[in-house]
Amino acid sequence: DADVTQTPRNRITKTGKRIMLECSQTKGHDRMYWYRQDPGLGLQLIYYSFDVKDINKGEISDGYSVSRQAQAKFSLSLESAIPNQTALYFCATSDPTSGGETQYFGPGTRLLVL
Amino acid sequence: GENVEQHPSTLSVQEGDSAVIKCTYSDSASNYFPWYKQELGKRPQLIIDIRSNVGEKKDQRIAVTLNKTAKHFSLHITETQPEDSAVYFCAASAASGTYKYIFGTGTRLKVLA
Repeated sequence: DADVTQTPRNRITKTGKRIMLECSQTKGHDRMYWYRQDPGLGLQLIYYSFDVKDINKGEISDGYSVSRQAQAKFSLSLESAIPNQTALYFCATSDPTSGGETQYFGPGTRLLVL
Repeated sequence: GENVEQHPSTLSVQEGDSAVIKCTYSDSASNYFPWYKQELGKRPQLIIDIRSNVGEKKDQRIAVTLNKTAKHFSLHITETQPEDSAVYFCAASAASGTYKYIFGTGTRLKVLA
C-alpha cells in the first residue's frame, strides 16, 4: 500500500548508536502503530498513537521511543541500539471512524545492529 | 496479559486441498479477529476479519469461524492454489474499543503443486 511509507528500507548500525525510523502516511488516518517482526514471534506492538497528543506503550516498548510529529508522521527511535533489536520493523495505520479496524502496513524497515 | 496462540507454525498441503489454521485468545473482552497474509518480502495485508457477534464469515475460498465460548477462531482455505503460499497471522483486539491488537506467531503455509 503506497499510502504508508517507511524510511529507510534497510539500515545497518552499530551497538550504542541512536537511530530513527520514519513512517509517513497519506491515508488521513489518526491511528498509527509501530510493530517489530522476528522470525517465529509474529508481530509485536512497540508503541501506538491515536492522535498527535496521544502516545501509548505496547508490549515491548523498552529501549524504544516515539514521536508523533503530525497526523501523517510517526517516528520510532532506538536511543542506544543493541544487537537484539535486529528485526524487521513495520509501521501501520488504521481508521476506526470509517467503521473498520483494518491495519494498513508500510513496506517495513529491515534493521541490523552489529 | 493478553495472548494469542497460533497453530500450526508450518503447514504443507497439496494444491487443491484445504488448509486450516487455528488461533486461541486469552482475553474474553476481545471482539475483533482479523487475519493477515504476508507474502515473502512483502507487508502483511488483511484477508478477512470477523467480529464477536458473528460465528462465521466467508469470502470466496476463505472463511473464518469463531467460537467465543472456547475463545478460539480458525481460518479455512479451500481449493488451495500455489499463490496461497505465504505466512498467515491471526490477531485479536486487546479489549473492546482499544483498537490495539495482539498477533499470533504466524503460520507458514506451503501449497505444493
